[in-house]
Amino acid sequence: GAVVSQHPSRVICKSGTSVKIECRSLDFQATTMFWYRQFPKKSLMLMATSNEGSKATYEQGVEKDKFLINHASLTLSTLTVTSAHPEDSSFYICSAPSGGFRQFFGPGTRLTVL
Amino acid sequence: SQQGEEDPQALSIQEGENATMNCSYKTSINNLQWYRQNSGRGLVHLILIRSNEREKHSGRLRVTLDTSKKSSSLLITASRAADTASYFCATAGSGAGSYQLTFGKGTKLSVIP
Repeated sequence: GAVVSQHPSRVICKSGTSVKIECRSLDFQATTMFWYRQFPKKSLMLMATSNEGSKATYEQGVEKDKFLINHASLTLSTLTVTSAHPEDSSFYICSAPSGGFRQFFGPGTRLTVL
Repeated sequence: SQQGEEDPQALSIQEGENATMNCSYKTSINNLQWYRQNSGRGLVHLILIRSNEREKHSGRLRVTLDTSKKSSSLLITASRAADTASYFCATAGSGAGSYQLTFGKGTKLSVIP
């Protein structure tokens, strides 16, 4: 089946720094990718829809300037958490649809902001 | 936006028993999907059921969908310790943006050897 990778798997950063997370579709092209955030023992919350070649669509309450999304190619979307703060610490997961409505998820990135 | 809600939130059973998880949602859907997540990992797609389907099987999994009640259930038969994970239902809306999924809160399943 289709494979989605994320990098890095874990990142620890100081407050105020920016962190970039990459999401790649390894064996298929994805014009659309989705970014989710998951707090401990909670469900996934959709943050934004990443669209190749155009602007991302953000969910209500998600700050566009805080979470920058760039979908530069058909296999890569990046999420940059700018000026990260401890409350941004979370598990970030991306997904991409392939061959219908089924979604393929990356393994996630655990961000810890000190 | 619609939201799936699973119950129970947590379920603990003995190996070999069946596990049933339920999911409810609020608006019309194109399809409903069930995913599994092991602790600290990504999600793995288990099964998709379309809005015009009522029941679907895949191995030890059985999913039902009742669109009149806006609910779905996932049955795992003959559970194994390796089935221990969190299970989420996710709904895809009809029309534009139907690839977008809305996840429920999940059921944490523990299968005791």
